Amino acid sequence: QKEVEQNSGPLSVPEGAIASLNCTYSDRVSQSFFWYRQYSGKSPELIMSIYSNGDKEDGRFTAQLNKASQYVSLLIRDSQPSDSATYLCAVLKNSGGYQKVTFGTGTKLQVIP
Amino acid sequence: KAGVTQTPRYLIKTRGQQVTLSCSPISGHRSVSWYQQTPGQGLQFLFEYFSETQRNKGNFPGRFSGRQFSNSRSEMNVSTLELGDSALYLCATKAAGANVLTFGAGSRLTVL
Repeated sequence: QKEVEQNSGPLSVPEGAIASLNCTYSDRVSQSFFWYRQYSGKSPELIMSIYSNGDKEDGRFTAQLNKASQYVSLLIRDSQPSDSATYLCAVLKNSGGYQKVTFGTGTKLQVIP
Repeated sequence: KAGVTQTPRYLIKTRGQQVTLSCSPISGHRSVSWYQQTPGQGLQFLFEYFSETQRNKGNFPGRFSGRQFSNSRSEMNVSTLELGDSALYLCATKAAGANVLTFGAGSRLTVL
């Protein structure tokens, strides 16, 4: 079982719709959760972080965390073609006394104009 | 404030050669992590350095090594290159006590 799992997609949504991206993780001791966006040919950039159960909103983005279900999601409202990218879920936990960040393989999002 | 700088950006090597990649972190960032990214495997953790010491290591063979200098700049080396080492190598840095990674632009290695 992979530590962090995401559906590779592609997830296609029409412009203006809500895109829902999901991620599950295997280790219950995981502490912090991140969503990174990676455009084709570019490096990942952080768009959201979430540390406690519930929702966290930032503009058109909402991250949701459910530690009991070991589930993290990212909602993108009013999706734009510029949101087309691969979205990476990342999970941080303590490993050997230090922090280790593990990434999922990413979900490719396509926003259709 | 300068970002994370990786050099070289692109390089082509042949099987059996070795390669050294460099990463200069954001000023004040002392933690440097290296990741390998391939289409099939996604981002795979190689190792992390802090204060010139390796404090975490992923599941890669000994051909992959790294080091960190006193100015926090880091290098990674891959010896005896194989075709499967073709990938984007990403460096990510963070400040002490922080948990958010900032990535460099990456070094794209092609092994022929």
